[in-house]
Amino acid sequence: SQTIHQWPATLVQPVGSPLSLECTVEGTSNPNLYWYRQAAGRGLQLLFYSVGIGQISSEVPQNLSASRPQDRQFILSSKKLLLSDSGFYLCAWSVGTGGAYEQYFGPGTRLTVT
Amino acid sequence: GDSVTQMEGPVTLSEEAFLTINCTYTATGYPSLFWYVQYPGEGLQLLLKATKADDKGSNKGFEATYRKETTSFHLEKGSVQVSDSAVYFCALKTGGYQKVTFGTGTKLQVIP
Repeated sequence: SQTIHQWPATLVQPVGSPLSLECTVEGTSNPNLYWYRQAAGRGLQLLFYSVGIGQISSEVPQNLSASRPQDRQFILSSKKLLLSDSGFYLCAWSVGTGGAYEQYFGPGTRLTVT
Repeated sequence: GDSVTQMEGPVTLSEEAFLTINCTYTATGYPSLFWYVQYPGEGLQLLLKATKADDKGSNKGFEATYRKETTSFHLEKGSVQVSDSAVYFCALKTGGYQKVTFGTGTKLQVIP
């Protein structure tokens, strides 16, 4: 069966510090991968998605970046965090491109920027 | 562009009450529709889905029917339990695209 891992689970970082969040998927090949952010009390905002190694699409211009160095690994990074980067970061995966293919979510990383 | 509108929360119900969470959508083409549930501190889990008009998705006592004529996908459950307390997200995905469009979520609180 497929599983998705995210770490760390929680993170407290000062403003201006770098960020690296990691997501890995097991049990599937060539998944589509996604990074979402969920601000407190709000819905999900799609940040990045990737359909293959080295292929990244950005949905929201900001100080975050994403990379996919391996087929089942997706990394979210920042060189300098802002207070507004606080939130709950969710990684998700799917296979296929048809409308019926739902996304499966990881457990999330709670980021607090102080 | 595509959008999903959900009823404002929070929704507070007594145990065994009937639940309806409204969801309407705007989309180009013929989307698939989903309901996801998020328990406190966790990621989202797929609750149910429907891929074409008049399809009914169901799971764990929850149901939703794809109504193309009213562009709606309302979530219902006949008798809620305290363990159903969570945030519920309606979402759509149009075939051929990678992105899922989510609503803002509706928080449900069930009291004993």
